[in-house]
Amino acid sequence: GAVVSQHPSRVICKSGTSVKIECRSLDFQATTMFWYRQFPKQSLMLMATSNEGSKATYEQGVEKDKFLINHASLTLSTLTVTSAHPEDSSFYICSARDWGREQNSPLHFGNGTRLTVT
Amino acid sequence: DAKTTQPNSMESNEEEPVHLPCNHSTISGTDYIHWYRQLPSQGPEYVIHGLTSNVNNRMASLAIAEDRKSSTLILHRATLRDAAVYYCILLNSGGSNYKLTFGKGTLLTVNP
Repeated sequence: GAVVSQHPSRVICKSGTSVKIECRSLDFQATTMFWYRQFPKQSLMLMATSNEGSKATYEQGVEKDKFLINHASLTLSTLTVTSAHPEDSSFYICSARDWGREQNSPLHFGNGTRLTVT
Repeated sequence: DAKTTQPNSMESNEEEPVHLPCNHSTISGTDYIHWYRQLPSQGPEYVIHGLTSNVNNRMASLAIAEDRKSSTLILHRATLRDAAVYYCILLNSGGSNYKLTFGKGTLLTVNP
C-alpha cells in the first residue's frame, strides 16, 4: 500500500536553532502534502498545505516565517521550524494523498516527528 | 467545515464487536465519511470511508444511516491492537479544498 516516510522520528534541539523535518511519498506522487501538529492529549491541528512548485497555504494563526515549508518535488516536502523555542515542542505529522487516484481517496500519514526544544 | 460528534471514550472487551458512533447532522451531499485511527505515538492510519452505502474492508465495516446524518464504525472482533483514538471526518469530494480536519475522536480502550 501507499507509504509516507517521515524523518527524523525524534529530534531534540536547543532553543534558537532550526530543525528540518522531511516527508516523502515512497510509491506515489503527491502534488499536495499536509502538515499537522499535535500537542499531548489533543487532536491533530492542520498547520499548512504544501503544494509542489508553489507557495504553501498556511492555516490561520500559523506563522509562515517560523514554519518554512518547501515542496520541491512530487515526492518530498520539508518543514523547517526556525528559531525553535520550547513552546514549539510537539508531535509533527505529515500526510499526502495519491493524486493519481479518485478525489475521495484517503490520506496517508507519516509516523510523525517528536520535536523537543530545550 | 461540516462537523462530526463522537463520544470521548468507549470501552470494549477483547474479541467482542465494537460499534463506534459518529453524528454528522450537517453533512452535505458531496461529503464522504472517512474514519482514521491513531495508535499512541504514531501518525493516523486510514480505516475506511464511504458515501451512502455500507462498506466493508479487512479492517472494519462502515454502516451509514439512510439520511447520512450518522454513521457507525464496526470492528467485528476487537483486539488489544485496536486500542486507539478513532476519528470520524467528513471530506468534501468536490473542488480543490481537500483537507482533513480532525475532531477530538473517540478513545477506544480494549480490555483483555
